[in-house]
Amino acid sequence: KAGVTQTPRYLIKTRGQQVTLSCSPISGHRSVSWYQQTPGQGLQFLFEYFSETQRNKGNFPGRFSGRQFSNSRSEMNVSTLELGDSALYLCASSRWSGGPTFGSGTRLTVV
Amino acid sequence: AQSVTQLDSQVPVFEEAPVELRCNYSSSVSVYLFWYVQYPNQGLQLLLKYLSGSTLVESINGFEAEFNKSQTSFHLRKPSVHISDTAEYFCAVSDRNQTSGSRLTFGEGTQLTVNP
Repeated sequence: KAGVTQTPRYLIKTRGQQVTLSCSPISGHRSVSWYQQTPGQGLQFLFEYFSETQRNKGNFPGRFSGRQFSNSRSEMNVSTLELGDSALYLCASSRWSGGPTFGSGTRLTVV
Repeated sequence: AQSVTQLDSQVPVFEEAPVELRCNYSSSVSVYLFWYVQYPNQGLQLLLKYLSGSTLVESINGFEAEFNKSQTSFHLRKPSVHISDTAEYFCAVSDRNQTSGSRLTFGEGTQLTVNP
């Protein structure tokens, strides 16, 4: 059974640009959530999608957005990148609330 | 609102020694509890979880954790660690309310380093 797949694994962007990250959940999992991991702030919840609807949202500015498609695949977009957006972005999928399965993450570096 | 406190940011131990990684949580609602492990340059792997039933839960690689509701703790233990257990460990909670979905609140992490 394939796990959660995130693409790309590494990304370098320039300040002010925008970026789109992709996540393919485990087959049958309808919930996809996104987290940001940084050395200073740790693991922080960004948002969760369930059946193409945003079900929960963390405390991030509007520059961070996401969406989910009918096949449960999800994308996350960050516009007007700032240096502080450099982080490991983790996607997780779950069938229910009993413990999401995480992907390997996308390492975003903003220069 | 929920919060998770991992009481030790770094735990160095010698191989074959026992270890305990401490986790306390605060929540106004009933929660599910999790331990995740992260190896360098990788994502998070679910180590074990408490959902209901027996308060002592075990993983396949020898770790165990006990849910203590009165002390709001979920400490992780292993009686004998290996070099390969070196990693960062995260304690997390989620609201049992289904409408809260899979939103996890994480602790700051504990770096376990096993020395030969």
